[in-house]
Amino acid sequence: QQQVKQSPQSLIVQKGGISIINCAYENTAFDYFPWYQQFPGKGPALLIAIRPDVSEKKEGRFTISFNKSAKQFSLHIMDSQPGDSATYFCAATSRSGYNKLIFGAGTRLAVHP
Amino acid sequence: NAGVTQTPKFRVLKTGQSMTLLCAQDMNHEYMYWYRQDPGMGLRLIHYSVGEGTTAKGEVPDGYNVSRLKKQNFLLGLESAAPSQTSVYFCASSRPGTSGNNEQFFGPGTRLTVL
Repeated sequence: QQQVKQSPQSLIVQKGGISIINCAYENTAFDYFPWYQQFPGKGPALLIAIRPDVSEKKEGRFTISFNKSAKQFSLHIMDSQPGDSATYFCAATSRSGYNKLIFGAGTRLAVHP
Repeated sequence: NAGVTQTPKFRVLKTGQSMTLLCAQDMNHEYMYWYRQDPGMGLRLIHYSVGEGTTAKGEVPDGYNVSRLKKQNFLLGLESAAPSQTSVYFCASSRPGTSGNNEQFFGPGTRLTVL
């Protein structure tokens, strides 16, 4: 049973376009939702994160939108660049969970010049 | 600081062989984790530790054992490797806290193939 569902599996965007990746969760105990970015041959690294008490968080070109009632959250990459080409994972964890992360399946993003 | 390091980077095993993957972190983190990454399945937690001398099972613990004898090291063992354990293994560490918002720092991974 996949507790965090992520879509799409892959995404191709032209340089300068907007990349959108969606995630949905089931467990209402989750209260922290990070996004990790992974380049080929490397380990994942934290990109941006949000808590459910806010509906949006923006850091540079990256924005998380959060809909608590729908149990959905999404990552928006504005002005996508070839250097953003990577695999993106959404994740979730709960306050009492020792920071254990439940990951989505991942989205492979390719930004074409 | 090296952050989180993993040894080895690559390994090929035959079915039934055993091996140990070593993870080391120099950030003085209390919590450490072992994940496996498989295509289309994201990262799944195998085992984790919330302090020296403690370990606990994650989502997919079967076929693996772990030990945390020193705070900075977290070992993952495969006693009798199976082809289903072919995967990329990542170690991670984080600070403690019940707020759930402490970043996990990942190592570079170990690519394991079991023939």
